[in-house]
Amino acid sequence: EPEVTQTPSHQVTQMGQEVILRCVPISNHLYFYWYRQILGQKVEFLVSFYNNEISEKSEIFDDQFSVERPDGSNFTLKIRSTKLEDSAMYFCASSEGAVQHFGDGTRLSIL
Amino acid sequence: AQSVTQLGSHVSVSEGALVLLRCNYSSSVPPYLFWYVQYPNQGLQLLLKYTTGATLVKGINGFEAEFKKSETSFHLTKPSAHMSDAAEYFCAVRVTGGGNKLTFGTGTQLKVEL
Repeated sequence: EPEVTQTPSHQVTQMGQEVILRCVPISNHLYFYWYRQILGQKVEFLVSFYNNEISEKSEIFDDQFSVERPDGSNFTLKIRSTKLEDSAMYFCASSEGAVQHFGDGTRLSIL
Repeated sequence: AQSVTQLGSHVSVSEGALVLLRCNYSSSVPPYLFWYVQYPNQGLQLLLKYTTGATLVKGINGFEAEFKKSETSFHLTKPSAHMSDAAEYFCAVRVTGGGNKLTFGTGTQLKVEL
């Protein structure tokens, strides 16, 4: 069964550095999403992406964040000048209809 | 705005006992409702969904849920718990016509004891 893949599984970064989280959505899906889960908290929506542009974003998704689909297969989340509070599990998801399929996540640790 | 409430952050059942995980939602328009399961160090796996039609929906691993509009609920059940069901369960809502984002509840950690 096709699946969403995310790399790396764990990223450790110094505070203030930039980080790029990578995702390969399911190939025939058109909608892409990023969510995050701070340890012990619920999963929160960050952004959705369709037709090469952001279709919706949450208040969390400020100017520090950006998304890109640099080619036909990858979908990336860039976090500029990371802060301690950015430490979380970041999930990528994709969909072609109602059901969103999630990757296994990237655990981001900011030191 | 839509929201999801999951009553009970931790639920413990004996193996073979009924599993009942509660979910209530708030939405001003007809919702799509989902249950996802998360095993340790893994992503979110879809258990089942309600979009339209039959209000009792069956999912994987013997789970089912019933959409009750009058109670704004979508509780998850399984007649007989198995040790492998131990995981965290998330209820989520997507508002029709309001974009595709999912709003999640805070999750319920299910523990299954011998």
